[in-house]
Amino acid sequence: DIQMTQSPSSLSASVGDRVTITCRASQTISSYLNWYQQKPGKAPNLLIYAASSLQIGVPSRFSGSGFGTDFTLTISNLQPEDFATYYCQQSYNNPPHFGQGTRLEIK
Amino acid sequence: QVQLVQSGAEVKKPGASVKISCKASGYTFTYHYVHWVRQAPGQGPLWMGLIIPEDGRTTYAEEFRGRVTVTRDTSTSTVYMEVDSLTSEDTAVYYCARERPYGGKYFFDHWGQGTLVTVSS
Repeated sequence: DIQMTQSPSSLSASVGDRVTITCRASQTISSYLNWYQQKPGKAPNLLIYAASSLQIGVPSRFSGSGFGTDFTLTISNLQPEDFATYYCQQSYNNPPHFGQGTRLEIK
Repeated sequence: QVQLVQSGAEVKKPGASVKISCKASGYTFTYHYVHWVRQAPGQGPLWMGLIIPEDGRTTYAEEFRGRVTVTRDTSTSTVYMEVDSLTSEDTAVYYCARERPYGGKYFFDHWGQGTLVTVSS
């Protein structure tokens, strides 16, 4: 199985800040990396697919990059609605493991 | 619009089984694989398995193989997941998710609202 490791596990930031979350795969996954946002009591919501492609309807302050084993999700100009938990997920092969999550909290 | 609507919350005793449904609408049911993911309290999502609605073929995560069964009913565009021999460790929210393929790989573009399964004596 390909394991996904996110860092940090939690992060405090203020409205207007720029934050970066990293995700590392235990072996190369090319660009088959997806990012999801999850709010309490809700299902995950797709933000980024193929490492850097923005899902339709997602604000452009979200961006993704990376290839191989190391990936980043960047949120620029944080908005109040962005405080949530973020997960990466590989779709290179089955099982499509998720990272353990990064909880983004208001400072 | 695409919707995946799941059945309601369940409370089960250890050793029992639970069967959850996921009814799809707003798209051609047989065109997209459907996956099941569970999330225990305070944990990240965990992939359980998938079904190909067109022919009913399934793939399961190794840790659930033999204890989880996913089926579908094409006449009602509904996918079912049954989990047997429940323990307290199966207490979680269970989600169905639609696969959207790209370049031979995929992402989950639509999710059900989740079904809370509580296992307690």
